[in-house]
Amino acid sequence: AQSVTQLDSQVPVFEEAPVELRCNYSSSVSVYLFWYVQYPNQGLQLLLKYLSGSTLVKSINGFEAEFNKSQTSFHLRKPSVHISDTAEYFCAVSQAQTGANNLFFGTGTRLTVIP
Amino acid sequence: DAGVTQSPTHLIKTRGQQVTLRCSPKSGHDTVSWYQQALGQGPQFIFQYYEEEERQRGNFPDRFSGHQFPNYSSELNVNALLLGDSALYLCASSPGSETQYFGPGTRLLVL
Repeated sequence: AQSVTQLDSQVPVFEEAPVELRCNYSSSVSVYLFWYVQYPNQGLQLLLKYLSGSTLVKSINGFEAEFNKSQTSFHLRKPSVHISDTAEYFCAVSQAQTGANNLFFGTGTRLTVIP
Repeated sequence: DAGVTQSPTHLIKTRGQQVTLRCSPKSGHDTVSWYQQALGQGPQFIFQYYEEEERQRGNFPDRFSGHQFPNYSSELNVNALLLGDSALYLCASSPGSETQYFGPGTRLLVL
């Protein structure tokens, strides 16, 4: 069995400030890890993913996440947020043995960027 | 290249009715998964279709069923609707077991 915990349901942050959205997972087998973003009234968009290799992964819009196996974490960070980053962020995990398309999601973190 | 598309965008039904939701996968993708996202929650996996067969299933009752067509498009059917079935239903497609890409969803309201 696997589970995902997103410790913060809501994170308010001022524009241009740094932010960290926390994600911890539990699994007895190797996992793939994902962050998806959901803008209001839209579906989910893949932000970044860790499948293997370098434990630090980056998105094209300045977000990054680091896979920490010992702490079973995959926290999402951005050094300077923009108003347009306001959205719901979901951390997800899948079992590596079954592939990257059977996802178990956390409950989400609502990031609100304050002007 | 069109992404994952879903229809309808919104739907209102009453308890006991049946509903069918549709999904067209991204070009080149042969695997379709369905998720239910209740208000304020993360998406929950319903089931996955590959080669017109249900390959994996989450913890959902038999009232939830699906189908995949030869062109890889898919339908989700829900029978005997309950108030608790009100949610955003998301379709995701992938090439095999690789990374999924999500559609915009169908918002279902059961009255």
